[in-house]
Amino acid sequence: DSGVTQTPKHLITATGQRVTLRCSPRSGDLSVYWYQQSLDQGLQFLIQYYNGEERAKGNILERFSAQQFPDLHSELNLSSLELGDSALYFCASSVRGSSYNEQFFGPGTRLTVL
Amino acid sequence: DAKTTQPNSMESNEEEPVHLPCNHSTISGTDYIHWYRQLPSQGPEYVIHGLTSNVNNRMASLAIAEDRKSSTLILHRATLRDAAVYYCILFNAGKSTFGDGTTLTVKP
Repeated sequence: DSGVTQTPKHLITATGQRVTLRCSPRSGDLSVYWYQQSLDQGLQFLIQYYNGEERAKGNILERFSAQQFPDLHSELNLSSLELGDSALYFCASSVRGSSYNEQFFGPGTRLTVL
Repeated sequence: DAKTTQPNSMESNEEEPVHLPCNHSTISGTDYIHWYRQLPSQGPEYVIHGLTSNVNNRMASLAIAEDRKSSTLILHRATLRDAAVYYCILFNAGKSTFGDGTTLTVKP
């Protein structure tokens, strides 16, 4: 158990819908990362937050948005969902979000878009 | 963005050493080299990381080439529990680039 929690574990929805994935970082970690893992594109970095502020952006679509709240939990919002958005979404946390910090990954949320 | 290249798969016998290579020829001076592994149906798990010097921890060793364009993860004695997909990743200012990973099979 990494100490990072993600809810829900599974999510099934239809195209065009909007969903919210939630992540609670390890106690004491200030930085949260979101990743997408799909069969055809592997693991991809989406976005990073540090203490409530966006720090780095990767291959995140405009239909996707995220935020980190004052209690440090984070939410990833996916809208206008398409079949290709079906994937595992991982959240990770680290102490300060520096390049040399170890990241702790949650168990993931499996999103299926029908 | 910097990319990493890894062999798709490797096999090892139990209790033998395993050397997992990674090429990162476009690495920049501020990229940290991280290795994570992922077991089926789980999130990736940290293994080791380094910048320029070789590193050792309880799980593995990381050997980094002098020009930093390649690195090797060394598992000193593979166990069945080490069977996983191993990712070589470059981290820089929060951004990361994953390679496709190497699937390690450990034979008893």
